[in-house]
Amino acid sequence: DAGVIQSPRHEVTEMGQEVTLRCKPISGHDYLFWYRQTMMRGLELLIYFNNNVPIDDSGMPEDRFSAKMPNASFSTLKIQPSEPRDSAVYFCASSLADRANSPLHFGNGTRLTVT
Amino acid sequence: DQQVKQNSPSLSVQEGRISILNCDYTNSMFDYFLWYKKYPAEGPTFLISISSIKDKNEDGRFTVFLNKSAKHLSLHIVPSQPGDSAVYFCAARYSGSSGGSYIPTFGRGTSLIVHP
Repeated sequence: DAGVIQSPRHEVTEMGQEVTLRCKPISGHDYLFWYRQTMMRGLELLIYFNNNVPIDDSGMPEDRFSAKMPNASFSTLKIQPSEPRDSAVYFCASSLADRANSPLHFGNGTRLTVT
Repeated sequence: DQQVKQNSPSLSVQEGRISILNCDYTNSMFDYFLWYKKYPAEGPTFLISISSIKDKNEDGRFTVFLNKSAKHLSLHIVPSQPGDSAVYFCAARYSGSSGGSYIPTFGRGTSLIVHP
């Protein structure tokens, strides 16, 4: 049973470059979430989708950040242009239904370093 | 404005003893609480949860206690084992009329180290 798959695991890039993070949710899950983990802010929600439709992107820090979900099995988070303060671990998660007792299933994250 | 607070960034415990991780919340609308466990280089994994209609939920060595009046919950691990060393995130959700009301709000996490 494959879990949530994220790629790449590590990304090192220079300031100003475009970065694309990828996520494949668990098959059949209808919610997909993008989180960012930093020491200062912990786990913060950036955006989430329901049935491939973005529902709430209020957590996206700036217009430099964008996310898409073209189909039920794939999502991307893009940062253009990247800045050093974007350095963090980015997690994708999926869940089966919008119920209180439905836990999120997280991928192993992408560690982004912007120099 | 943090709605879910884990005020202890780290905790160190001897193997075999009890580990108590604490979490406070400010939003009285929260009615479901979850704990996630995270090992280095891995994503968080669900550990245990509790509904606001209960004050205790137990699963093996893990017990979560909820004190609604104090807006406080705690995770007890008894006995603690070296393999429990990880970061523990507290999360809270609430029911609502609009879609997306079950999106969890996470605390910043507590790093637990269990010494052999």
